[in-house]
Formats: sequence, C-alpha cells, structure tokens
Amino acid sequence: SQQGEEDPQALSIQEGENATMNCSYKTSINNLQWYRQNSGRGLVHLILIRSNEREKHSGRLRVTLDTSKKSSSLLITASRAADTASYFCATDVNTGRRALTFGSGTRLQVQP
Amino acid sequence: EAGVVQSPRYKIIEKKQPVAFWCNPISGHNTLYWYRQNLGQGPELLIRYENEEAVDDSQLPKDRFSAERLKGVDSTLKIQPAELGDSAVYLCASSSHGLAGALTDTQYFGPGTRLTVL
Repeated sequence: SQQGEEDPQALSIQEGENATMNCSYKTSINNLQWYRQNSGRGLVHLILIRSNEREKHSGRLRVTLDTSKKSSSLLITASRAADTASYFCATDVNTGRRALTFGSGTRLQVQP
Repeated sequence: EAGVVQSPRYKIIEKKQPVAFWCNPISGHNTLYWYRQNLGQGPELLIRYENEEAVDDSQLPKDRFSAERLKGVDSTLKIQPAELGDSAVYLCASSSHGLAGALTDTQYFGPGTRLTVL
C-alpha cells in the first residue's frame, strides 16, 4: 500500500518558474525523503528531512515538513528543462522496518 | 564509485516461464533491497537483506518469488512461473551502516530491470 500520496499527480510549468509538489502520509515517521526518477531510469535521492526538522535546503530544492499535518512539500526554484521527471516522496515509517514506503509520484514537465 | 548494478535491463518472456534478475550493490553496503514498481506507481518493497539474511520478506509473494544473497554481496531475485501481472520494473537498492552500526537512511537505486510478461 502507498503511505505517501503526492499532489498534484502531474504538473506542467515553463522554464524559470517554481514548481511545488506536496506529499501527505498517514503514520508517524523517522524521516521523509524525496527522490527523482527520469523516464526509464532508477531513482535518484534528492533530500532527506528528519521528523524533528521543519525545513531543509539543497541547491534549488527546498523541503518542508509538518508532522502535525503529516505533510511535506518540495519546492524547485528557477526550474530547468532538465528537471523534467517524476518526483516521489518516501517515508521511513517508525516501525523499525527500515524500508521506504513510496507515494505514486508527481510527473513534472518543464517546458523550455 | 560505481553505483548499484542490475542486469538485465530489459527482459521479455512468455507467461509461465521463469526469470531471474541480478543485482550488485555499492561496495561495502550491507543492506540490499528489492522493490517492484508498477507503471505509474511508486516502488514497493519486496525484500530487504542485512548481509546474507533476509530480515523483511513480508511483501514477497513466496509462492512464485524467491531471492538469495548467498555471500552477502550480490543478489538474485527469481520468479517461477511468471504471470502477466508480474510485468513491472524491478529495482534494487542498497544502503550502508554509519557510525556505531546505525543504519543510514539514504538508499541508492540501480537502473532497474523492466520485465514484460506476454
């Protein structure tokens, strides 16, 4: 079953614009991670935010986490055509399983 | 540093045939994962290994799926016999233990094997 659900399912923007993707989850977590997947490729780890953190930055990426609302957002600033990909949130659920539970992803299209 | 290696990249078989996927994790990574990703969905865990021990195989359909990691390094996932619904991308990932044996949280994924069952 999918623990995290991304919103929107698909997003199309122009190069230079910002892209915001949201993720909601159901149970308490150790951390939440965002991954990118280009068509036909494996997943690439982007950023990890722990349950005691509220915001994290990495280059053009900004991630927020609200554990009271069980939600996270990924902001990509000044998007580029190369950012076109599917973006997944994944939660490390607080059960000791140490396995990631992925959402169904947001498909981002950045128009040049 | 070499990433997670998987082979083959693509496999097309007829239903009821067997199929096997191979994964070589990043050197030094004790933990290995097999995920299945259906079209338009996120990956779902099938099995997790700590060295050669399968510590979480609760989502592995054991009637037709099997996996092994005999020497605690590379791993093989097998399906026998394959069914139409097994068509998916099979992803392997690995992660390492950090200081004091704590499991780090970042998983590194291979490119996957895309299986088509006809």
